[in-house]
Amino acid sequence: QVQLVQSGAEVKKPGASVKVSCKASGDTIVGYYMHWVRQAPGQGLEWMGWINPNSGDTRNAQNFQGRVSMTRDTSISTAYMELNSLKSDDTAVYYCAREGMSTIDWGQGTLVTVSS
Amino acid sequence: SYELTQPSSVSVSPGQTVRITCSGDILAKKYARWFHQKPGQAPVMVIFKDSERPSGIPERFSGSRSGTTVTLTISGAQVEDEADYYCFSTSGDIDWVFGGGTKLTVL
Repeated sequence: QVQLVQSGAEVKKPGASVKVSCKASGDTIVGYYMHWVRQAPGQGLEWMGWINPNSGDTRNAQNFQGRVSMTRDTSISTAYMELNSLKSDDTAVYYCAREGMSTIDWGQGTLVTVSS
Repeated sequence: SYELTQPSSVSVSPGQTVRITCSGDILAKKYARWFHQKPGQAPVMVIFKDSERPSGIPERFSGSRSGTTVTLTISGAQVEDEADYYCFSTSGDIDWVFGGGTKLTVL
């Protein structure tokens, strides 16, 4: 069974960028869409977008157009999400999630704190 | 953009049955999935394709649909079922749309 292991917590200043990684162990990321979802403190889940690791194609939610970039390195079974021009309300836990036919495997989450 | 509407909170006594609804136009064309999420943990899927249960999910969790409303039913709720529950579906072929979440209290 796959395990998605995300990079550690980050603290960033407003205007900076953050790049979160999501490494699959026990399986490959190829063959499954990888989604990114975030959750602000005390709030619900917000979908950010997906990447097709096979092709590198991506699609981002409208709220993040122009600010988020999703990439992957299939040689190390790792997906990345980079969010630019950070604001205080980008403070959240960021999750990667691999979508299978009948399962969704989640990373453990990465807390990104944006504070001056 | 599509929206999915859930009640913000529901409560149930242990051993009783509780139902959580999720409504939205997108459900006319797409399946729903349900997650629960406990504090500090990643979501765990409990229902997919409206009513199917992933391996390892207890039988007390079931899903149903009526038109553009889907319902998650927990029959004989346990204290450990206390969590936030989210419905979600897909927009287009792949994009995800989440409901706002329902806080389930078991007491």
